[in-house]
Amino acid sequence: ETGVTQTPRHLVMGMTNKKSLKCEQHLGHNAMYWYKQSAKKPLELMFVYSLEERVENNSVPSRFSPECPNSSHLFLHLHTLQPEDSALYLCASSQDSAFGEQFFGPGTRLTVL
Amino acid sequence: GQQVMQIPQYQHVQEGEDFTTYCNSSTTLSNIQWYKQRPGGHPVFLIQLVKSGEVKKQKRLTFQFGEAKKNSSLHITATQTTDVGTYFCASRQAGTALIFGKGTTLSVSS
Repeated sequence: ETGVTQTPRHLVMGMTNKKSLKCEQHLGHNAMYWYKQSAKKPLELMFVYSLEERVENNSVPSRFSPECPNSSHLFLHLHTLQPEDSALYLCASSQDSAFGEQFFGPGTRLTVL
Repeated sequence: GQQVMQIPQYQHVQEGEDFTTYCNSSTTLSNIQWYKQRPGGHPVFLIQLVKSGEVKKQKRLTFQFGEAKKNSSLHITATQTTDVGTYFCASRQAGTALIFGKGTTLSVSS
């Protein structure tokens, strides 16, 4: 086990729904990340948090809203998503925000209808 | 934009054959990381290379970082069915976030 957990593992939602993805790391790391993995595309970095402060946002649409209440928890709030947002959403953590070894969670498989 | 090109996209081998995936960049890389993702799983860190010309081995896996720090390779000797999965390289160019390659998906038939 990687020490990074994600819930839910699967999520189906309509375009008008609001849902949240949760990530928790038990490794004592200071940095946490959200990635999107779509078929036939490389892993896309969405957000980076270091010591609970957002340090990077790769021009992600505002329908994705991250929240990092403490160094162990990370959320991704979703609202009015599009079918093309269907993907595997992976959370990761690392010791610091210098993008060292990334520990990934199992991911949430999101389907937007 | 900044990219890390990875080839081949797919590779099928017979068990016991060797396998190599390559990662290339047009710009100098600060480091290179390699990850493996099993089917239905999540990426798992394998190794990080930092020094020019660095070579590291993990059992049947050999990782190399080019002298110019613009390319890297992962070589698996005598593949086994447990090697099946997608292998990603990832790198951080100066001042940027970690950029992942598209991955090489390896299938092995026994």
